[in-house]
Amino acid sequence: GAVVSQHPSRVICKSGTSVKIECRSLDFQATTMFWYRQFPKQSLMLMATSNEGSKATYEQGVEKDKFLINHASLTLSTLTVTSAHPEDSSFYICSAFRPGDTQYFGPGTRLTVL
Amino acid sequence: QKEVEQDPGPLSVPEGAIVSLNCTYSNSAFQYFMWYRQYSRKGPELLMYTYSSGNKEDGRFTAQVDKSSKYISLFIRDSQPSDSATYLCAMTPFLSNFGNEKLTFGTGTRLTIIP
Repeated sequence: GAVVSQHPSRVICKSGTSVKIECRSLDFQATTMFWYRQFPKQSLMLMATSNEGSKATYEQGVEKDKFLINHASLTLSTLTVTSAHPEDSSFYICSAFRPGDTQYFGPGTRLTVL
Repeated sequence: QKEVEQDPGPLSVPEGAIVSLNCTYSNSAFQYFMWYRQYSRKGPELLMYTYSSGNKEDGRFTAQVDKSSKYISLFIRDSQPSDSATYLCAMTPFLSNFGNEKLTFGTGTRLTIIP
């Protein structure tokens, strides 16, 4: 149990385009989902916390107009990177909180902006 | 100073050896401590988590927490090549049913088990 999926696993886009990443909890309902970014050889940095049906809470230094998060249901959260630039290239990982337990992570999405 | 410090390695040990991975932290509010394993280009996988001080064992893995020293460890016995991965420690002050706790991660230690 506690499976979290992400789609796509890898995306390459041109600078200036927008990219949407989906995060799904497959076998449980997640009241809270988290979005992380991981640069090479660095740890996971929390970008935002997303609660179903409410606005996401962004960490300091994360532009909420650039990284749009929607948590439309208890099993789906989306992260849209708007007007992506090469410096946004990174590994984006979501996690979903299973009530009474802990966070379970998705496999990640590698974004490359050309 | 980072809240959580972890030696990034890389660490290479021969198959069958005991591996010791460690993290130190500065925030005394941390009460829950996790260890994750992350294979290359994959998301982290939870190995185990412990509450407060003490030991916890799960198969070949043992987690130790010493809150007085703000020091946690993960031991891997009878290490296997399949254990080769990056190991991340993480911690949080609390776990709630509301799921809004934030995890603070170490940078991860890259481990290679040599056959």
